[in-house]
Amino acid sequence: DAKTTQPNSMESNEEEPVHLPCNHSTISGTDYIHWYRQLPSQGPEYVIHGLTSNVNNRMASLAIAEDRKSSTLILHRATLRDAAVYYCILKGGNQGGKLIFGQGTELSVKP
Amino acid sequence: NAGVMQNPRHLVRRRGQEARLRCSPMKGHSHVYWYRQLPEEGLKFMVYLQKENIIDESGMPKERFSAEFPKEGPSILRIQQVVRGDSAAYFCASSPPGQANSGANVLTFGAGSRLTVL
Repeated sequence: DAKTTQPNSMESNEEEPVHLPCNHSTISGTDYIHWYRQLPSQGPEYVIHGLTSNVNNRMASLAIAEDRKSSTLILHRATLRDAAVYYCILKGGNQGGKLIFGQGTELSVKP
Repeated sequence: NAGVMQNPRHLVRRRGQEARLRCSPMKGHSHVYWYRQLPEEGLKFMVYLQKENIIDESGMPKERFSAEFPKEGPSILRIQQVVRGDSAAYFCASSPPGQANSGANVLTFGAGSRLTVL
């Protein structure tokens, strides 16, 4: 399985944008880039996913590099409730339905 | 539309007892996944099931653990003769039919069942 590399932790100030990076240099052409997050004491929560083009939804934006070897999850205005572990995961069609989680980035948000 | 429902939310067992964790997928979802999260560790895939079939159990411990997803009723993760090392949060997720082999497949997770073995 193609692997992703994320910083262990990041800090942000409330109401400021947050850019969470993810490197995936061995991504294959059919791999989608997924982001999930896990708030303290809760189950993982889907955030966003994309293949080649940048994506926006009500939670976040996903910026995908032109060569697809990296991507960035953008939270436009961080709130205290965004403090969580954020996971960048590659999902291809040849691994069945499962997701393989790495260590993720622990985001802390300061008031 | 209720999400993925897991119960019990908290379960305490003594060493050697059995633990049964239940998961009801989202309405319309036919695929269920179980994950385990040990304290201060990441999420580890355990097993993936469709109705009445185990599709991928590559993450299941070889002994004491079993999972089923019957035609009727919730999926069950069963741990026999629990040991202290089984203390963890167990998360269930579900996804709709027809997408499992797509890279775009999105999983919806439940809130988890937290097992404590005394």
